[in-house]
Amino acid sequence: DTGVSQNPRHKITKRGQNVTFRCDPISEHNRLYWYRQTLGQGPEFLTYFQNEAQLEKSRLLSDRFSAERPKGSFSTLEIQRTEQGDSAMYLCASSLASGREKLFFGSGTQLSVL
Amino acid sequence: DAKTTQPPSMDCAEGRAANLPCNHSTISGNEYVYWYRQIHSQGPQYIIHGLKNNETNEMASLIITEDRKSSTLILPHATLRDTAVYYCIVLSYGQNFVFGPGTRLSVLP
Repeated sequence: DTGVSQNPRHKITKRGQNVTFRCDPISEHNRLYWYRQTLGQGPEFLTYFQNEAQLEKSRLLSDRFSAERPKGSFSTLEIQRTEQGDSAMYLCASSLASGREKLFFGSGTQLSVL
Repeated sequence: DAKTTQPPSMDCAEGRAANLPCNHSTISGNEYVYWYRQIHSQGPQYIIHGLKNNETNEMASLIITEDRKSSTLILPHATLRDTAVYYCIVLSYGQNFVFGPGTRLSVLP
């Protein structure tokens, strides 16, 4: 399978703990995106990378959130001091940088903060 | 904010055509219309996109009105596996995809 891979699929944590999610994009894709989705809503943009550079961050991305993409390959999204409001599906997508690109999404990581 | 308006839900009988409308009355001349769908517990999946001409691929057809203020996604022979949330998105060059709540399509046996 050469699609976008996200791990873990599910994460349950206690409030105040730190969590980290991983995304492996399609290998030839140089853009990588993180989205967050809550029940009944469409995905909301969080941030994106072109290669290893983080080019845009949403206002939704508080200072407890940090994303990295070392070497322009896989990416990690870390949430520090989790809150119950962080409970959501975290989706990763990748694309080729063409300006009219199609996004290819992974199946997401479902985070539950107790 | 999403630049599109879609009905929150629709039903369609299995084997019939599903016609999903989308209003994008403020669309600019260089903005494309994209459609994605999201099946339960999966990430969104690209379906089709277009500028002003009608488009067709193996999944669906996209009909864009002449004034470009609305479009319709057509699934010609809906199956139970087409039950999903369908998102219509207007995209400017260099901008990020903004997803609204979409249309929840239920294909009924």
